[in-house]
Amino acid sequence: EAGVVQSPRYKIIEKKQPVAFWCNPISGHNTLYWYLQNLGQGPELLIRYENEEAVDDSQLPKDRFSAERLKGVDSTLKIQPAELGDSAVYLCASSLGSTSGLSYNEQFFGPGTRLTVL
Amino acid sequence: KQEVTQIPAALSVPEGENLVLNCSFTDSAIYNLQWFRQDPGKGLTSLLLIQSSQREQTSGRLNASLDKSSGRSTLYIAASQPGDSATYLCAVLLYTGRRALTFGSGTRLQVQP
Repeated sequence: EAGVVQSPRYKIIEKKQPVAFWCNPISGHNTLYWYLQNLGQGPELLIRYENEEAVDDSQLPKDRFSAERLKGVDSTLKIQPAELGDSAVYLCASSLGSTSGLSYNEQFFGPGTRLTVL
Repeated sequence: KQEVTQIPAALSVPEGENLVLNCSFTDSAIYNLQWFRQDPGKGLTSLLLIQSSQREQTSGRLNASLDKSSGRSTLYIAASQPGDSATYLCAVLLYTGRRALTFGSGTRLQVQP
């Protein structure tokens, strides 16, 4: 069974340019997460989806970040315009989720996209 | 706000040693706790998941324990090997609030051959 797929693996852009990251979760996983990981730190949640609904985006900087999960499967995270401080690893994860809304199942992570903003 | 702390931040041991990594959390109302491994430049690999009702989980040379009342978990690695060199992260999922994992900063492990 394929794991969580992310692309691209690496991205280098100039500041003020737009960038987009793509994630394909494990088949059948209803819950999808985007995390941000700075160097030497643990990941921090940006947004969580239950199917196609963004149920927690409180930590997403909405002035420049946006995300979508059309049809409740693949997801795209976009930054426009990128700033120097956005340089980090962007991780996508998925889990089975539950009808009660509590994502109690084990989370599986993709390889991440390493973004460098020059 | 849940805080997760991992000690030590870095550890270097000779091959063959048994070792313990520590994780502590401030809010004991957790749903589960996960231990992950992260190799340089790579994503996270789930090692063990302990539900709040469980005391420990084992997988091969790895054993993770959970003491909710004291807010602690340990990851025990038996007979360490150079291939175990990586960063180990623990993360907790709360019953309430944000339904996402709260991570520690990790322990960077190096096993010397």
